[in-house]
Amino acid sequence: TQLLEQSPQFLSIQEGENLTVYCNSSSVFSSLQWYRQEPGEGPVLLVTVVTGGEVKKLKRLTFQFGDARKDSSLHITAAQPGDTGLYLCAGKIRGTSYGKLTFGQGTILTVHP
Amino acid sequence: DVKVTQSSRYLVKRTGEKVFLECVQDMDHENMFWYRQDPGLGLRLIYFSYDVKMKEKGDIPEGYSVSREKKERFSLILESASTNQTSMYLCASSLSLPQGSLAFFGQGTRLTVV
Repeated sequence: TQLLEQSPQFLSIQEGENLTVYCNSSSVFSSLQWYRQEPGEGPVLLVTVVTGGEVKKLKRLTFQFGDARKDSSLHITAAQPGDTGLYLCAGKIRGTSYGKLTFGQGTILTVHP
Repeated sequence: DVKVTQSSRYLVKRTGEKVFLECVQDMDHENMFWYRQDPGLGLRLIYFSYDVKMKEKGDIPEGYSVSREKKERFSLILESASTNQTSMYLCASSLSLPQGSLAFFGQGTRLTVV
């Protein structure tokens, strides 16, 4: 059973299009992070959200944490080929030990020029 | 910048061999983790350590053990490698924060067991 469900699993779009990736759970998270991973490399942290309803922007990327802290979304505006990669959400379930992060299965994004 | 370094990028081992994957971090983080990553399954936690000589099982510890003798080094051991342990292995380290931990990853080790 996947505690964090990401959708869609695959996304193939043209340069300039907008897209949204979703991360959902039945569990409440103390915090949630988004990572981007390129082939052959480890994931790189993009952002962390902590407060329910929080919105963070990173250039063309907008991250939102749901009010109930059970879901999150990543929206990319005017996608570019350089955005291509695997996007992972991860979170700490409330009540678990400090270190333990639960990961979604990832969304593979391909942006065509 | 935090640096997490894994000893090998690519490794090919035979079934039944004992395999050591080494990971070193340079930011004095308390927590270190070993994940494996397989297509469609995301990252699955094998073991993590929150202090020297302390360890906790993750979601898939079977067939693996770990060692943390020094704060900066966390080793993953495959006692007797099997073909179903062919995977990408990722090490991470993090600081403990009340609301969670921010993990920094190594570059990964792609292990093939033949």
